[in-house]
Amino acid sequence: DAKTTQPTSMDCAEGRAANLPCNHSTISGNEYVYWYRQIHSQGPQYIIHGLKNNETNEMASLIITEDRKSSTLILPHATLRDTAVYYCIVRVLASGTYKYIFGTGTRLKVLA
Amino acid sequence: GAVVSQHPSRVICKSGTSVKIECRSLDFQATTMFWYRQFPKQSLMLMATSNEGSKATYEQGVEKDKFLINHASLTLSTLTVASAHPEDSSFYICSARGLAGGPWNEQFFGPGTRLTVL
Repeated sequence: DAKTTQPTSMDCAEGRAANLPCNHSTISGNEYVYWYRQIHSQGPQYIIHGLKNNETNEMASLIITEDRKSSTLILPHATLRDTAVYYCIVRVLASGTYKYIFGTGTRLKVLA
Repeated sequence: GAVVSQHPSRVICKSGTSVKIECRSLDFQATTMFWYRQFPKQSLMLMATSNEGSKATYEQGVEKDKFLINHASLTLSTLTVASAHPEDSSFYICSARGLAGGPWNEQFFGPGTRLTVL
């Protein structure tokens, strides 16, 4: 069952911030939100993850709403190399193992 | 660090043959490895989870007799597609996760293997 919903596609001007939303209204209290991106025909690349606090690393920031029903991935200064499909993922515990449930992804196109 | 490789990167085979795909964690020990399948313009779908030294756990709808998974060591898992047919053509991606609670708690993905069955 899908745990996340994302817009199908977005455009962003180079140098501007890219804000990618994700809804995860059925997320449970101990389930983390992960973000990965996939450049064409490659394996997904880890970006960031969080539980309830906002997180920042060298790639991006993750803003999680207080009710945890949605989050936003922010790429502060998008470049052409950030063009990719961005997946919002909920990590669930099933049969004693943490598994990723991938969303449908947002195809981000960064425009020159 | 945290590099995962897959071999081969691309394979074309005739219908009815079996194909083996290897997934290796190069610089860490992977207690758990995952196999995903991705059809064109679609998201990744988890096929199965394997823990080193034990049987794989398959997701609902995935035939365990067709997609044979072996996780014989902490750095190697293999997926064998038995008697492949054209509908098995897809992009197969593995991921690996290190020791729970350790620095590699997230999944690290391989580059994928594109299987084309004629």
